[in-house]
Amino acid sequence: QSVLTQPPSVSGPPGQRVTISCSGGSSNIGTYYVYWYRQLPGMAPQVLIHKDDERPSGVPDRFSGSKSGTSASLAISGLRSDDEGDYFCASWDKSLSGSFVFGSGTKVTVL
Amino acid sequence: EVQLVESGGVVVQPGGSLRLSCAASGFIFDDYTMHWFRQVPGKGLEWVSLINWDGRVTKYSDSVKGRFTITRDNRKNSLDLQMTSLTSGDTALYQCVKDKTSGYSGYEIGFFDSWGRGTQVTVSS
Repeated sequence: QSVLTQPPSVSGPPGQRVTISCSGGSSNIGTYYVYWYRQLPGMAPQVLIHKDDERPSGVPDRFSGSKSGTSASLAISGLRSDDEGDYFCASWDKSLSGSFVFGSGTKVTVL
Repeated sequence: EVQLVESGGVVVQPGGSLRLSCAASGFIFDDYTMHWFRQVPGKGLEWVSLINWDGRVTKYSDSVKGRFTITRDNRKNSLDLQMTSLTSGDTALYQCVKDKTSGYSGYEIGFFDSWGRGTQVTVSS
């Protein structure tokens, strides 16, 4: 069971805005930065958002991140067919000896 | 171009040991913190261990602490993972990953910008 909780799936038609939630606790999201990754089948994960809400160069501004307390969200606006994939939130967790933890992942489907 | 090529994955019996290696190229190896991750289909991503740029700081997930050891050789641009007391729960694709930072604190790591294709470790009798 993942330390960070995400919905198993979200979907929407092309052009719509969807959001993916990520719920954690004071030992992770409440203290440390949140990262968002997308993984396509057979590919390496790609950073979409780092340090809660910053977008790396090359990531479209259709992707945006936010954080409040012990929860975070990733919003995808103007949904496109090539946005389909698995999305993971991640953060450091200071419980026990500390570790980097990922959410269970959310599958985005474009209808 | 950054390249990370893992090797060493095999089928090993429970209780056995294994050493994985990662050959790095295309970047200044000793400028960055490196990690090992593992993935099992349908089970998502699991961080295993990190080592900072000079090898003086290492961290491990609770699931491998005391059994796995991460090391690096900055002269050879290589990263290793020594694995002992293996169980079926260690069966996974192991990937070598480059961080964007040279640091190691929870406030610094997390931007994993390059990943190897991985090497498969199967623990089975």
